[in-house]
Amino acid sequence: GAGVSQTPSNKVTEKGKYVELRCDPISGHTALYWYRQSLGQGPEFLIYFQGTGAADDSGLPNDRFFAVRPEGSVSTLKIQRTERGDSAVYLCASRSSGNTGELFFGEGSRLTVL
Amino acid sequence: AQRVTQPEKLLSVFKGAPVELKCNYSYSGSPELFWYVQYSRQRLQLLLRHISRESIKGFTADLNKGETSFHLKKPFAQEEDSAMYYCALSPAGANSKLTFGKGITLSVRP
Repeated sequence: GAGVSQTPSNKVTEKGKYVELRCDPISGHTALYWYRQSLGQGPEFLIYFQGTGAADDSGLPNDRFFAVRPEGSVSTLKIQRTERGDSAVYLCASRSSGNTGELFFGEGSRLTVL
Repeated sequence: AQRVTQPEKLLSVFKGAPVELKCNYSYSGSPELFWYVQYSRQRLQLLLRHISRESIKGFTADLNKGETSFHLKKPFAQEEDSAMYYCALSPAGANSKLTFGKGITLSVRP
């Protein structure tokens, strides 16, 4: 596809459950970002991959959150023991190498924890 | 630490009126500043960046290092400008994270 693809678009789960959110970046983009956006807030940085490695994971709120990008393309954000406060839209973005700043965003995965 | 402040949550103007969306930043090094826009039912996308010094859809933004500001301006607003606007910052020349402000809703009335 031409753009960043995120699945699922909507996820409703119960408190305490495990959730995986997937991101398929633009082909050839080496950098991949995860952001979280709560209602009325701007995107909040979670983690950034350059290739397969996490270059900066300083935004992950706690050890319940983990992300992988094993082959340098698709990434999965994993949330263990979900809490109601995890409810938000999770945005993925990718960027080509050498292009500082322009991130191409997906439509997001809306997570609701009941 | 890098921080972006957008002091207003909502700006409502009539079509044809001038628009200024405020953005202030805090960063000890040399920053790159951006404006991103999200139209209704569309994904977040880049509007403009300060290093390009370009005008996009009639919008311009000048980086003022003395005032640490990067306000977005347009002399004559159009209804299609109604959207959510986010100011963002990253360290200059570094492929690193982009820090966003909380955003402002621009509403342009006919």
